[in-house]
Amino acid sequence: KAGVTQTPRYLIKTRGQQVTLSCSPISGHRSVSWYQQTPGQGLQFLFEYFSETQRNKGNFPGRFSGRQFSNSRSEMNVSTLELGDSALYLCASSFSLLSGREYNEQFFGPGTRLTVL
Amino acid sequence: GENVEQHPSTLSVQEGDSAVIKCTYSDSASNYFPWYKQELGKRPQLIIDIRSNVGEKKDQRIAVTLNKTAKHFSLHITETQPEDSAVYFCAASLPPGTNAGKSTFGDGTTLTVKP
Repeated sequence: KAGVTQTPRYLIKTRGQQVTLSCSPISGHRSVSWYQQTPGQGLQFLFEYFSETQRNKGNFPGRFSGRQFSNSRSEMNVSTLELGDSALYLCASSFSLLSGREYNEQFFGPGTRLTVL
Repeated sequence: GENVEQHPSTLSVQEGDSAVIKCTYSDSASNYFPWYKQELGKRPQLIIDIRSNVGEKKDQRIAVTLNKTAKHFSLHITETQPEDSAVYFCAASLPPGTNAGKSTFGDGTTLTVKP
């Protein structure tokens, strides 16, 4: 099986711009989670999508949004970029039963390195 | 919400020694505790996980223990090798069935194994 893929791998933007990142999960996986990784803040949970619905959300401002398509591919969008948004954005996919009580392991993509100038 | 504390932030050991990394969590409803290894410039990779109905799990040189009462879990690496050098993250996850299936990560431990 192919692993989780993310595009683009690197991105340079300026303050005030907006950006869209893409994540393709492992085939058959229905849950996609997004994380922001910075040296000072570690891995911070942004949101999780399951069956095209946002199921969970972290503590990020409304400038951060996402969506999931019927094929489970997910995008995240950051509007009005700030310098502090510079980070590695990781997505992770898992199988995740609709009503299951067991949490399934997550597989991470390679990340998108976003630099805001 | 869930809060995960991880210690130490850096750990240096001699090759062949053991390494122990500890994490505590705050939400007693968390039921899944994975550990990830992230090498420089690479993605986090799951190395071992434990669920709340198990107290200990071992996979070759790696073991994880869980104390639900104390809300504490630890990663143990024995006979460390230079290739074990990386950043290790612990995480705690609430069950997805409660509509709270997200992972909260610790801040990471940078492990250096000196040959």
